Amino acid sequence: GAGVSQSPSNKVTEKGKDVELRCDPISGHTALYWYRQSLGQGLEFLIYFQGNSAPDKSGLPSDRFSAERTGGSVSTLTIQRTQQEDSAVYLCASSYGTGWQPQHFGDGTRLSIL
Amino acid sequence: DAKTTQPPSMDCAEGRAANLPCNHSTISGNEYVYWYRQIHSQGPQYIIHGLKNNETNEMASLIITEDRKSSTLILPHATLRDTAVYYCIVRGTDSWGKLQFGSGTQVVVTP
Repeated sequence: GAGVSQSPSNKVTEKGKDVELRCDPISGHTALYWYRQSLGQGLEFLIYFQGNSAPDKSGLPSDRFSAERTGGSVSTLTIQRTQQEDSAVYLCASSYGTGWQPQHFGDGTRLSIL
Repeated sequence: DAKTTQPPSMDCAEGRAANLPCNHSTISGNEYVYWYRQIHSQGPQYIIHGLKNNETNEMASLIITEDRKSSTLILPHATLRDTAVYYCIVRGTDSWGKLQFGSGTQVVVTP
């Protein structure tokens, strides 16, 4: 079956530009999560959605980062006025709920800020 | 604060069983143990999880000690494609919304 799909797979942009990253979760999964992984670093939680609501946004690094989810499905992560330190792989995951059900990850968007 | 401790690296011969240890001495009664792996340039892949009992699926077996303070992931017949970073994660009701990844164990399977 189809897994979590993220687009684009790679994005190169200039410092100061805005970027949008997209995540299509597994069909039927109500919970959706965003993480990022900087070069040589561990995975860092950013935000998660249960349906269209975001109960935990505690991992968003600054107010330049925002995310939304509409229709309980697709989510977009937006980074405004990008900085070089935003360069990372942005990973999306989904699960049937936010209980014990395991999260399943996409392969991420590799973002490079020049 | 890290909830789990794993060795930074280990080698395994192809075709042999790989036994990956994880310590989680502060685990609480409602916390599960999850294992993920990340192959280079891919997203983390879910392997298995458990609460108290040992678990087995098509990928691996999870052995949890009776006091739940440690566990072992067993890959029964390691192949070169099992080379990856393996993460042991403890997750419970106070953190249902996120997985807290540590440094993991870099497993290298050699021919």
